[in-house]
Amino acid sequence: AQKITQTQPGMFVQEKEAVTLDCTYDTSDQSYGLFWYKQPSSGEMIFLIYQGSYDEQNATEGRYSLNFQKARKSANLVISASQLGDSAMYFCAMREGGSGNTPLVFGKGTRLSVIA
Amino acid sequence: EPEVTQTPSHQVTQMGQEVILRCVPISNHLYFYWYRQILGQKVEFLVSFYNNEISEKSEIFDDQFSVERPDGSNFTLKIRSTKLEDSAMYFCASSDVGRQGVDYGYTFGSGTRLTVV
Repeated sequence: AQKITQTQPGMFVQEKEAVTLDCTYDTSDQSYGLFWYKQPSSGEMIFLIYQGSYDEQNATEGRYSLNFQKARKSANLVISASQLGDSAMYFCAMREGGSGNTPLVFGKGTRLSVIA
Repeated sequence: EPEVTQTPSHQVTQMGQEVILRCVPISNHLYFYWYRQILGQKVEFLVSFYNNEISEKSEIFDDQFSVERPDGSNFTLKIRSTKLEDSAMYFCASSDVGRQGVDYGYTFGSGTRLTVV
């Protein structure tokens, strides 16, 4: 079974609009972390936002917010006020367990294209 | 902001040759990782390293692969006899131990694009 599922291979959004990128996860651990990374065409992996399983509030970082619905096991990324520079691949990832030595498991990614 | 540095950014090698990919993790991080991303596919875990030994490895990390921390700063991935299917982007990452439940996350390098011809 996939640990991380991103069901949208590609998404389009108009500049200045908001967009939601979907991510569902599968784990039996009580303690886990959820991450979103952006990968532009240049290839590097840029950390965007993190949500811990015990965090009661949704994480926010600037224009990025994470819509965390624990019971549904979803961790959707919301990008507000899209910019042309947001065009990239976006990966959802999960770390199972309580601390920072467990490898990340990635989803297949969603390619976001922002249209002027 | 501290960075993970990877060299070279791009390497082309002949099939059957050995390659060494180099990484300088963030200096106070304790856990180091290699991941690989075949073009157009998802990022896959290869190996994690802690306290000078492998702590976990995936089924991809077979006998052709090895990792080493030869000094206090470098972390290397060696592929002994490259195959065409080893062509991929290889990412190094490092992470810190979470303190008081705070997760410092993983910092990725910019990657080495390996092309085997």
